[in-house]
This record gives sequence, structure tokens and C-alpha cells, in this order.
Amino acid sequence: DAKTTQPPSMDCAEGRAANLPCNHSTISGNEYVYWYRQIHSQGPQYIIHGLKNNETNEMASLIITEDRKSSTLILPHATLRDTAVYYCIVRLQSNFGNEKLTFGTGTRLTIIP
Amino acid sequence: EAQVTQNPRYLITVTGKKLTVTCSQNMNHEYMSWYRQDPGLGLRQIYYSMNVEVTDKGDVPEGYKVSRKEKRNFPLILESPSPNQTSLYFCASSSRGEKGTQYFGPGTRLLVL
Repeated sequence: DAKTTQPPSMDCAEGRAANLPCNHSTISGNEYVYWYRQIHSQGPQYIIHGLKNNETNEMASLIITEDRKSSTLILPHATLRDTAVYYCIVRLQSNFGNEKLTFGTGTRLTIIP
Repeated sequence: EAQVTQNPRYLITVTGKKLTVTCSQNMNHEYMSWYRQDPGLGLRQIYYSMNVEVTDKGDVPEGYKVSRKEKRNFPLILESPSPNQTSLYFCASSSRGEKGTQYFGPGTRLLVL
């Protein structure tokens, strides 16, 4: 799986859009970008994933650059409950073997009231 | 509601006293996995199961056992717990074709004295 680089921490004002960057310059053509978050010792929560097109769901939007070497997770209207550690993971969608998720250190996002 | 449940959520025990942490999912997922999370070490996979009666070791299997007799259940067994197994444990599940999208349980915090 390709390696990812994320800033260790970010702050965002409540109600504003939170934009979390991730660099994955060694991503291969069939690897997806996944985002998870972990809210204070709770189980990691799947947010969104994408291959090359931008994706949006009820939680967030994912913008992937045309060269696929970086991406941005966007939380459009951040609330205090979005304070968490956000993990960017690059991997195959499924390789029909062990599907261990490798979580890096992530970005600790703090939403400021 | 689609979910992964774990029991107990909190457990204090003594060295050598056998214990079982249960994990159950109601999404008919084939793949299930156990992780432990420790400060500074992130999430590490203990065991995983591709389907009923199919289990295999992850990165840190020593001191743990698992079984998969039914599709929905994947218990983690500590035959003789030791203090170095004090940790936060998460169970996860996913469907066969989308194992990049995993659903995690709420966690079990274990303290071994």
C-alpha cells in the first residue's frame, strides 16, 4: 500500500469548512484513497473513499487531484463533534486476502467554538 | 441498524484468569478482524477471519485465540492474560468485495492487573 503524509494537527472554527490534506505521491493506478476518523478512543469510523473522481456523501467530500498524488477531505460545516483524528489510507479496494487497515498517525482536527 | 457490537466495553481482570471478548456484526459480513490500540503504537491487527472456520494471524497474535463458528460472531479469547495485554481492543468487519470499507465496534478497554 502507498504511504501517506498528513499534517499532525489542524484547527478549524465551528461552522466553517475543514479541509484536511493528504499526500500520496506513490499511489498506484488501482489504489483507492480512504478516509477514516477516530473520535477520542471510539472505534474508527469510515468516512469516504474514492479512486479518481471527486466523491461526496452525507458526511464529507473527497477531492482527488488529477495526478492522484494528493487529496483533500472536506467537512463542509464543521461542528464540535467533528473533533477527532482523521486518517488517510491508500490501498486496494479489496485484494481478497487479509484486509488489514494500516493507520498512520493521522491529523488531529480540533474544532474551535 | 447496521453495527458491530463488543462486550464487555470495560474489563478489569487479574493475570492468568481466562477471558473472552465477544464481537458480533449484523451486516452478514464475511471478513472480521481484531485490532489492539496502544499509545504510540497505533492500531495493530491481532487476528482476522475471511469467513466461517477460516482464521489467521495478524501482526500481534501471541497470547490470543479466536474462533469463527458463526458468520456474525468472532470472539477474542485470552487464555492467560498478562499485564502487557492491557489495551483498547477493536473488532471490525467488512464485506468480501469492499474490504477497504470496514466497520468498527465501539471498543473494549481491558486492564490486566
